[in-house]
Amino acid sequence: EVQLVESGGGLVQPGGSLRLSCAASGFTFSTYWMHWVRQAPGKGLVWVSRINSDRSSTDYADSVKGRFTISRDNAKNTLYLQMNSLRAEDTAVYYCARAGLPASNDYWGQGTLVTVSS
Amino acid sequence: QSALTQPPSASGSPGQSVTISCTGTSSDVGGYNYVSWYQQHPGKAPKLMIYEVSKRPSGVPDRFSGSKSGNTASLTVSGLQAEDEADYYCYSYAGSNNLFGGGTKLTVL
Repeated sequence: EVQLVESGGGLVQPGGSLRLSCAASGFTFSTYWMHWVRQAPGKGLVWVSRINSDRSSTDYADSVKGRFTISRDNAKNTLYLQMNSLRAEDTAVYYCARAGLPASNDYWGQGTLVTVSS
Repeated sequence: QSALTQPPSASGSPGQSVTISCTGTSSDVGGYNYVSWYQQHPGKAPKLMIYEVSKRPSGVPDRFSGSKSGNTASLTVSGLQAEDEADYYCYSYAGSNNLFGGGTKLTVL
């Protein structure tokens, strides 16, 4: 069974940093592109970042470019999102998702809440 | 990187059909056959319903169908059922990034 479990969310002050993790199981993690998607409270889904299977390619939404870094450890079956210089508008539930079908995300984690507030 | 445009709401009675539109540009929706649709119930993670414009993942009822014309993609839900009431989001590959629509709240009357 495919499982994605996010962790690392919490309350952080503006300007602070946080690292999210997404533990994957039930599939060959190293062969899939992976994505981060966020959802502010009461708002819609927003794509954040993606990374290819061998870590050679990463892309970011303009809103997080230069502040967030996506990475992965294929030996540990884990996806990461390093978030620096956090702003109030980064407050959201962050989901990791597997790109198991062409340009679409077939499995999602349950999400982890990041709250940026003083 | 502007979000794709969806109507904020749609509704229909049980058994009826409803179509939700998703408008982008030639750089995203119109430029690739990589539009997907997601269903999200309150407090839950999104669920993939349609990928590559019109393909259904295993387990998704054939009441759900997708299409595209130019820069606009559409999701049609036929034979509406109470459990179809949810938020629906379109999603498109756009080269160096991906884009979601703003979401449509589907109400089953």
